[in-house]
Amino acid sequence: QQQVKQSPQSLIVQKGGISIINCAYENTAFDYFPWYQQFPGKGPALLIAIRPDVSEKKEGRFTISFNKSAKQFSLHIMDSQPGDSATYFCAAGPSNTGNQFYFGTGTSLTVIP
Amino acid sequence: EPEVTQTPSHQVTQMGQEVILRCVPISNHLYFYWYRQILGQKVEFLVSFYNNEISEKSEIFDDQFSVERPDGSNFTLKIRSTKLEDSAMYFCASSEALRGFHYGYTFGSGTRLTVV
Repeated sequence: QQQVKQSPQSLIVQKGGISIINCAYENTAFDYFPWYQQFPGKGPALLIAIRPDVSEKKEGRFTISFNKSAKQFSLHIMDSQPGDSATYFCAAGPSNTGNQFYFGTGTSLTVIP
Repeated sequence: EPEVTQTPSHQVTQMGQEVILRCVPISNHLYFYWYRQILGQKVEFLVSFYNNEISEKSEIFDDQFSVERPDGSNFTLKIRSTKLEDSAMYFCASSEALRGFHYGYTFGSGTRLTVV
């Protein structure tokens, strides 16, 4: 069973546009939802994360929107820049220390100048 | 910025051989993990480790795999008899424990394992 579903698989956005990546999760026990950014040849790096007690979290140009009833969350990148071109992974899991996160399949974002 | 360090960056091994992948987690982190990513696919959990023992492992982490923290700083993943399908990027990660929560992992840059 795929615990976290991510879409789209790839995304091309013009510079200055908004990039939107969506994820859905299965397990209602999950209470921590991070997004990771991965550049080629590098490990995933934590970008932003949210807990289900809030519906939105913003850090700079990056915003997570969270819909607990629908079990969905999304990443919005405002004013997308070519430097944002990377693969983005959503993840979900329990916030109890030491438990695994379940990752989505990744979205390859290309921002064209 | 503290880093998780992994060595080697690339390892080529013959099928059936044993490999050891090495990681140095962030010094004040207490929880350690191995994940792997087959080329172009999602990141998959292998194992988590705390207080010198495995706290959780996935179906992938069978008897061919083992982990160890031999000296208080290194964290290793051993694959006893490698198979072609073990070819992947292996990521080590660590997290700190803070009031019972962990705020996401810090990943290393990975070891690309190629089994031929």
